[in-house]
Amino acid sequence: EPEVTQTPSHQVTQMGQEVILRCVPISNHLYFYWYRQILGQKVEFLVSFYNNEISEKSEIFDDQFSVERPDGSNFTLKIRSTKLEDSAMYFCASRTNSEKLFFGSGTQLSVL
Amino acid sequence: AQTVTQSQPEMSVQEAETVTLSCTYDTSENNYYLFWYKQPPSRQMILVIRQEAYKQQNATENRFSVNFQKAAKSFSLKISDSQLGDTAMYFCALPARPPLVFGKGTRLSVIA
Repeated sequence: EPEVTQTPSHQVTQMGQEVILRCVPISNHLYFYWYRQILGQKVEFLVSFYNNEISEKSEIFDDQFSVERPDGSNFTLKIRSTKLEDSAMYFCASRTNSEKLFFGSGTQLSVL
Repeated sequence: AQTVTQSQPEMSVQEAETVTLSCTYDTSENNYYLFWYKQPPSRQMILVIRQEAYKQQNATENRFSVNFQKAAKSFSLKISDSQLGDTAMYFCALPARPPLVFGKGTRLSVIA
């Protein structure tokens, strides 16, 4: 079965550094998402991306965050200057026109 | 605004027994989907089952089934013949704006 692939599985960075989290959505999917989950809390929506542009974003997705689909396969989340509170599991997800959302296995970001 | 409420933070069940996890939601939509996601200790998000609101028949996937009460806005998950591998966090989710609103989750422990 096709999968959403995320790399790396674990990223450690120093506060103030830039990080890029990478995702390869399922190839025929059209809608792409980033979610995050702070340890012990619920999964929160960050941003959705469709037709090469952001379609929706949450209050969490401030100017420090950006997304890109640089080629036909990758979908990246960049955090420009990381803060301690950015430490979380970040999930990429994708779907076709169906509402069924497929999640990647996540990248655990630790900001020290 | 769409909301999802899971009122049971933790539950436990004996192996081979049946357990039901509760979820209530609020939405102004008439046609929508509801999902249950499983998050094992690996923290991957795995779709367990989904229900289409316009279908009266409750969805079933092997040992997993739902009790969908549209008028009451209730969407509970029943796990039959519980197995140790069912130990996980379970999240109820509702497609919304922003996409997919999650409940806070229920931590299920299956005891041998």
